[in-house]
Amino acid sequence: SQQGEEDPQALSIQEGENATMNCSYKTSINNLQWYRQNSGRGLVHLILIRSNEREKHSGRLRVTLDTSKKSSSLLITASRAADTASYFCALKAAGNKLTFGGGTRVLVKP
Amino acid sequence: NAGVTQTPKFQVLKTGQSMTLQCAQDMNHNSMYWYRQDPGMGLRLIYYSASEGTTDKGEVPNGYNVSRLNKREFSLRLESAAPSQTSVYFCASNAYGTGGGYNSPLHFGNGTRLTVT
Repeated sequence: SQQGEEDPQALSIQEGENATMNCSYKTSINNLQWYRQNSGRGLVHLILIRSNEREKHSGRLRVTLDTSKKSSSLLITASRAADTASYFCALKAAGNKLTFGGGTRVLVKP
Repeated sequence: NAGVTQTPKFQVLKTGQSMTLQCAQDMNHNSMYWYRQDPGMGLRLIYYSASEGTTDKGEVPNGYNVSRLNKREFSLRLESAAPSQTSVYFCASNAYGTGGGYNSPLHFGNGTRLTVT
């Protein structure tokens, strides 16, 4: 089954800056989901975007989906130290499988 | 609400020992899942239960068994632990909506960190 590939693998920014990470994939999807994982904790769902949607917002988070390029991006605006975490994209493709990428580690420095 | 609760949080086993990882959810979700997380490999699905009374293999089921005890509880058993099963294990659940189980977000527990020596 296909796996999303996150880019970059790691990202270091100053508090207040924006953070952008991308997820690329190879075959058609039904939806794409973004999750956050703080150190030593489970994953927390952030946003689910369906294949017929192009953009979704949730607070300081903005997710875009470009099905023609088979890619999605997650933007965190005005980052805070509490945003330090790993971020994963997960793809729901045909056959009801959900596959996770390897994640982007984000460090927000105060 | 507790959400998804996993026990134990940490466990060390010797090769060949057995153990059961417990998971319970209080969100009245139909579907429950077991994943393992290894460095650089994301999460991989071991087994899932779409609804009470059903279980199915995921991507990496070898060496594991599961039991959907009731709607709330889904346990994962390692019959004869091997060092390759050293990992962090996550249980998750979601509401099984139309179009299949992954059209609604997964809710995760905080994991069980297992070391097999």
